[in-house]
Amino acid sequence: DAEITQSPRHKITETGRQVTLACHQTWNHNNMFWYRQDLGHGLRLIHYSYGVQDTNKGEVSDGYSVSRSNTEDLPLTLESAASSQTSVYFCASSEFRTAVGTEAFFGQGTRLTVV
Amino acid sequence: AQKITQTQPGMFVQEKEAVTLDCTYDTSDPSYGLFWYKQPSSGEMIFLIYQGSYDQQNATEGRYSLNFQKARKSANLVISASQLGDSAMYFCAMREATISSGSARQLTFGSGTQLTVLP
Repeated sequence: DAEITQSPRHKITETGRQVTLACHQTWNHNNMFWYRQDLGHGLRLIHYSYGVQDTNKGEVSDGYSVSRSNTEDLPLTLESAASSQTSVYFCASSEFRTAVGTEAFFGQGTRLTVV
Repeated sequence: AQKITQTQPGMFVQEKEAVTLDCTYDTSDPSYGLFWYKQPSSGEMIFLIYQGSYDQQNATEGRYSLNFQKARKSANLVISASQLGDSAMYFCAMREATISSGSARQLTFGSGTQLTVLP
């Protein structure tokens, strides 16, 4: 079965360190997204990609970067981790079949704590 | 401005009763889609139901139905015959179609409603 997986599931890191969260999907979807979830804010978009070599900034992109070298993977990098980046991170993917009609499939989430 | 508003941070419902979770949205795009996701305590995001802006009928999926009132820009989720397993966080989300807005193909989420089903 096709799926979308994130690793690690849990991560503790120190302030100032570079951290990379992995996202791998086997749906062969063009669209991939990274969200962060914080209490009271729902899910907010960090970065997204519509295909290989395409990346775009979302609502809360400061301090984060992504790269898309193949269809399956969209790693999220925190350049210099800050305590404000303690959050739960979700990766998602969706087909480009119609403009609005397809749901996004989510990974299991990564709980990141910056100490 | 908030594109998706969920005004109920928490809701309680008795088992076997119906419950309505509110969602209002803001868009000037004539073509858009509305989604509801469930997030149980285990953390995964589970897709529940979808409504397109041009759909004539309200969407239904088993015990879930979407009360879509386009003129009022509301897309409330109705869960009939609540079960203990329905206790979870519920998110309303929207995808707009207009490529030029830069927001096409991505979901914008509300802040969620925590539903607790009481035995």
